[in-house]
Amino acid sequence: ETGVTQTPRHLVMGMTNKKSLKCEQHLGHNAMYWYKQSAKKPLELMFVYNFKEQTENNSVPSRFSPECPNSSHLFLHLHTLQPEDSALYLCASSQESRFFNYGYTFGSGTRLTVV
Amino acid sequence: AQKITQTQPGMFVQEKEAVTLDCTYDTSDPSYGLFWYKQPSSGEMIFLIYQGSYDQQNATEGRYSLNFQKARKSANLVISASQLGDSAMYFCAMREGSGTASKLTFGTGTRLQVTL
Repeated sequence: ETGVTQTPRHLVMGMTNKKSLKCEQHLGHNAMYWYKQSAKKPLELMFVYNFKEQTENNSVPSRFSPECPNSSHLFLHLHTLQPEDSALYLCASSQESRFFNYGYTFGSGTRLTVV
Repeated sequence: AQKITQTQPGMFVQEKEAVTLDCTYDTSDPSYGLFWYKQPSSGEMIFLIYQGSYDQQNATEGRYSLNFQKARKSANLVISASQLGDSAMYFCAMREGSGTASKLTFGTGTRLQVTL
């Protein structure tokens, strides 16, 4: 497989459920990201991992819990979500450099519906 | 203040015609990068084109070109010879500075519909 792979593609969960989103990158990148995309809003950066260390948490509620066991895998653990958490969750990776601006490579996203 | 502004929520273009999608940005950092992404209904964000703040020439990638006007802080995407498969959301994005402290910030997007 190549690029950034996200599973599952679609997820419907109740507010009391616990589920996890998975992201895997096959590009040898050293940074990974979670973004949330809600209707009619810009993409919101949720978490950033550089070399497996979390470097940014943009005031995300604790019902979202990220995990990065190695530089190729990123998880987003979900529990007791609210209906307003329904959105497309996008994972991305990049090769970070001190001297150059790189763009991100994105996965296809997980479309989450909280009922 | 918004870092990236896309003022066109939706655009229509006829097949084989050219279309320009607008993007303006706000930064005081002399070093930055500008990106355009395409998002079809499948959800994946597909990288299209990149322009660095120090690049002298406008970036081009096949049918995509970036009209970079630094003084006006605009980075419009031009799609030539539109195809039905170009129908999608298009996002302009920016990274300021370099290194791990800078992040990719997106605009609200423009939905492009290509018609016969």
